[in-house]
Amino acid sequence: DAMVIQNPRYQVTQFGKPVTLSCSQTLNHNVMYWYQQKSSQAPKLLFHYYDKDFNNEADTPDNFQSRRPNTSFCFLDIRSPGLGDAAMYLCATSSSPGRPRSYEQFFGPGTRLTVL
Amino acid sequence: RKEVEQDPGPFNVPEGATVAFNCTYSNSASQSFFWYRQDCRKEPKLLMSVYSSGNEDGRFTAQLNRASQYISLLIRDSKLSDSATYLCVVGMDSSYKLIFGSGTRLLVRP
Repeated sequence: DAMVIQNPRYQVTQFGKPVTLSCSQTLNHNVMYWYQQKSSQAPKLLFHYYDKDFNNEADTPDNFQSRRPNTSFCFLDIRSPGLGDAAMYLCATSSSPGRPRSYEQFFGPGTRLTVL
Repeated sequence: RKEVEQDPGPFNVPEGATVAFNCTYSNSASQSFFWYRQDCRKEPKLLMSVYSSGNEDGRFTAQLNRASQYISLLIRDSKLSDSATYLCVVGMDSSYKLIFGSGTRLLVRP
């Protein structure tokens, strides 16, 4: 089945130690998103790619970077995780505007990050 | 003011009850509206889109009031499996971004 896959599902890192979260998709969608979600809060968009075009949200800290080497893969790099970065990180995809159901975002299961 | 506001709940209802959630959005230029469902410690999943004319999918009915900038979700004959957080989501056709509300938590008890 076509899907969005995130690895790892759980990640523990130390304060200040860089960490990379990965996302892959078999949907062949053009648009990929990274969200941060803390307990009882709305998913907060960090950035998104339309193909290779990168779009950063104005309030996304510089500590967060992303790479999309090809259509299928996208990475979230946290250069120096702080305690406040502990959260669920969700990857999502959507197809290009004009295609059927292009508005729908398909989410991966998320990576739960713990910062010690 | 948040772009999308929802009552966090929880709404605690017995099985078989009818429950309604409302959501307000601040940007009058918003073009697309959705309800997503999120189970505890899982990812959000699209429940239904919301159209100006209102739409129904089984026990679920969604309505949009553009003049008042609110969206509603009605669940009839609640099931235990309906227990989840319901996220109100708003999109702008000019971008690919969706704005999520914080969610309304529903607990259906036996």
